[in-house]
Amino acid sequence: RKEVEQDPGPFNVPEGATVAFNCTYSNSASQSFFWYRQDCRKEPKLLMSVYSSGNEDGRFTAQLNRASQYISLLIRDSKLSDSATYLCVVIRRAGNMLTFGGGTRLMVKP
Amino acid sequence: SAVISQKPSRDICQRGTSLTIQCQVDSQVTMMFWYRQQPGQSLTLIATANQGSEATYESGFVIDKFPISRPNLTFSTLTVSNMSPEDSSIYLCSVEGGTTYEQYFGPGTRLTVT
Repeated sequence: RKEVEQDPGPFNVPEGATVAFNCTYSNSASQSFFWYRQDCRKEPKLLMSVYSSGNEDGRFTAQLNRASQYISLLIRDSKLSDSATYLCVVIRRAGNMLTFGGGTRLMVKP
Repeated sequence: SAVISQKPSRDICQRGTSLTIQCQVDSQVTMMFWYRQQPGQSLTLIATANQGSEATYESGFVIDKFPISRPNLTFSTLTVSNMSPEDSSIYLCSVEGGTTYEQYFGPGTRLTVT
């Protein structure tokens, strides 16, 4: 079983739709969680950190469920420019090593 | 966040040769990281490079194949040695951003081995 798992998609949604991604992690010692966005042929860029209390940044909401060991990302009012691959990233307590999920591809259509 | 540059941005190399990739950061950082992203895959950590000490390699990666230098707090190199087509990947360096351990990535080096 992979340490961080995501549905690879693709998720094809119309503009304006709300879409949610989930990510599960297997190591209960994980301490920090992030969502990154990666555009085609570009490097990953930090989208947002994920906090236990949940956090929101504009149209994006991230939530963490430690008991069930999953992280979610909700995108409201999808834009064409949201089309990208979204990577779930987990850091273990020891060594601060990032472990990446396989990514979920989102395609927003007009 | 730090500004990170990598050289070269891309290269096409013959099998059996070696390529050294440079990573430059605009501020001093303690830890630098090297990742590989194979076609259609997510990122895999190759090694962590600390200034003044040997790099720490992840399972499946060895120093003879991927020697790393870290001569100062703003620079690192990764060499891909004795290349084969299986080494065709994007190689990315990253640095830690802050107290929550997020990382910021350079633009990557796209390597094709023929």
